[in-house]
Amino acid sequence: DAMVIQNPRYQVTQFGKPVTLSCSQTLNHNVMYWYQQKSSQAPKLLFHYYDKDFNNEADTPDNFQSRRPNTSFCFLDIRSPGLGDAAMYLCATSRDRGTVNEQFFGPGTRLTVL
Amino acid sequence: GQNIDQPTEMTATEGAIVQINCTYQTSGFNGLFWYQQHAGEAPTFLSYNVLDGLEEKGRFSSFLSRSKGYSYLLLKELQMKDSASYLCAVKDSNYQLIWGAGTKLIIKP
Repeated sequence: DAMVIQNPRYQVTQFGKPVTLSCSQTLNHNVMYWYQQKSSQAPKLLFHYYDKDFNNEADTPDNFQSRRPNTSFCFLDIRSPGLGDAAMYLCATSRDRGTVNEQFFGPGTRLTVL
Repeated sequence: GQNIDQPTEMTATEGAIVQINCTYQTSGFNGLFWYQQHAGEAPTFLSYNVLDGLEEKGRFSSFLSRSKGYSYLLLKELQMKDSASYLCAVKDSNYQLIWGAGTKLIIKP
């Protein structure tokens, strides 16, 4: 089945210790997104790739970086995690950016910062 | 600024019908989406409206009025597995999804 896969599902890191979350997709979609979601809040878009074109949201902290080495994979790097970065990180894809293209989500990675 | 409003929480009875409302103010409109999210899981796509009117999909229907900036999700014949959060999201003029915080639906036997 075509899908969006995120690894790991649960990640524990220490304050200030860099961490990388990964996402892969077998849907061959052009667009990949990274969201941060805290409990009972709306998903917050951090950045997205339209093919190789990187789009950073204006309020995404510099602490968050992303890489998309090829169509299938996308990584989220948190350079120096703080306690406030503990959240669910959701990767999503869409075929394109136009009107009807819904986003397909991976299962998420829950990040704990000690 | 851009804003999506939905009730924080609703309670309904198994077998009943519930309507979850969503109002929006966005810069441009390129469609409205409803997603279901079970606790601790990722959102899954339920429905899409870009024209005014009702879209029906089995037990779920979604309505849109663009002039009023209003949508609702109607769930019929509620089942316990429908207990989840329901998120309303609007695509703005830049094709970015603007998300509501979600409505937590609690189903009681």
